[in-house]
Amino acid sequence: GDSVTQMEGPVTLSEEAFLTINCTYTATGYPSLFWYVQYPGEGLQLLLKATKADDKGSNKGFEATYRKETTSFHLEKGSVQVSDSAVYFCALIWGYNKLIFGAGTRLAVHP
Amino acid sequence: GAVVSQHPSWVICKSGTSVKIECRSLDFQATTMFWYRQFPKQSLMLMATSNEGSKATYEQGVEKDKFLINHASLTLSTLTVTSAHPEDSSFYICSARVIREGHEQYFGPGTRLTVT
Repeated sequence: GDSVTQMEGPVTLSEEAFLTINCTYTATGYPSLFWYVQYPGEGLQLLLKATKADDKGSNKGFEATYRKETTSFHLEKGSVQVSDSAVYFCALIWGYNKLIFGAGTRLAVHP
Repeated sequence: GAVVSQHPSWVICKSGTSVKIECRSLDFQATTMFWYRQFPKQSLMLMATSNEGSKATYEQGVEKDKFLINHASLTLSTLTVTSAHPEDSSFYICSARVIREGHEQYFGPGTRLTVT
């Protein structure tokens, strides 16, 4: 079945460091891909999305490119801030089926 | 736009009582709402999919008689945890899908339930 695999956390970085959170997927069709962010004690917020191969989603300095050949959607940011500390979820959906989430990756950014 | 609210944001109840959680789409109509459960430091687990005016579709392993879902209008869905027990303590999150925007779901802020 469809699934999403994320790199295990926690990821601990210093402020202004480069961030990569790996995400790979398996899907029977051509899914749309998403990154959601969850701040402590809150629900999920959509960070960015891509709906077809080679699309690049971007928001708030974060980027991810839909790579069909490697079935990946890695999240990157060139310079993280303390305020980026949160849990990041990679997810996919195909058709009108349910969202499939990865396990989540906790990011902690220190000053 | 596309704001989803949940009420209450947190609730403490005694074992054996029932608790109702509301999920509202504030500025849009949603044909479908979803209810998720999240345990500490874990991912979201889909409990059920709720379509306005029809019965909810529950995921395997979710007790429909324990987690009652009502989707009475295009802007309101409720989850009632009946005869709650301490193991039902969790973070419950709803999401709503916008009619015209295909796949995208908008998530509520979550409700933390603690059963004592």
